[in-house]
Amino acid sequence: NAGVTQTPKFRVLKTGQSMTLLCAQDMNHEYMYWYRQDPGMGLRLIHYSVGEGTTAKGEVPDGYNVSRLKKQNFLLGLESAAPSQTSVYFCASRTGARAFFGQGTRLTVV
Amino acid sequence: QQQVKQSPQSLIVQKGGISIINCAYENTAFDYFPWYQQFPGKGPALLIAIRPDVSEKKEGRFTISFNKSAKQFSLHIMDSQPGDSATYFCAASKGSGAGSYQLTFGKGTKLSVIP
Repeated sequence: NAGVTQTPKFRVLKTGQSMTLLCAQDMNHEYMYWYRQDPGMGLRLIHYSVGEGTTAKGEVPDGYNVSRLKKQNFLLGLESAAPSQTSVYFCASRTGARAFFGQGTRLTVV
Repeated sequence: QQQVKQSPQSLIVQKGGISIINCAYENTAFDYFPWYQQFPGKGPALLIAIRPDVSEKKEGRFTISFNKSAKQFSLHIMDSQPGDSATYFCAASKGSGAGSYQLTFGKGTKLSVIP
């Protein structure tokens, strides 16, 4: 039982490049979330989904897009990466009140 | 607007001592208050959580104290151990309705327990 799996774990991008972060969960959870974690800032919600085919904006959505074509997968896209998007990205899924987090993706934009 | 304020940013405690981390919230619609523990290179993991119908919840060495009138809650770690060294995040959310269980996090407290 893998829980929440994020791919890749590390990535370096050049400014202007695009990429997609993949989150997969095997717990059949309806709710999924993307957060970014920056030093001294805690975790801030980027986008979330309340079920397959639905997405919604969180606190810091600018520069990101998401898709939830399958219940188990939640993709986070950066169309044109900027240095301000250097961060650690966490995906989470939820059942009831409890959220389960992935191991994170460390993204550096140079 | 920071809806959940956490203090201190960092904390050093001797082995066997009590670690105390405090949080304050602004949104009176919040009714679910979890604490997450994060080790370096790992994702946050739920440690303990409380709802406002009780003033205290204890699980092993970890206790949440909750003060609804002051809109404050705190995490107490008794008999702190080096293995407790981690970053701790408080969070809050609504338990029902639109945006239910959408967590708002504090900025985190880095706890170091020294032998």
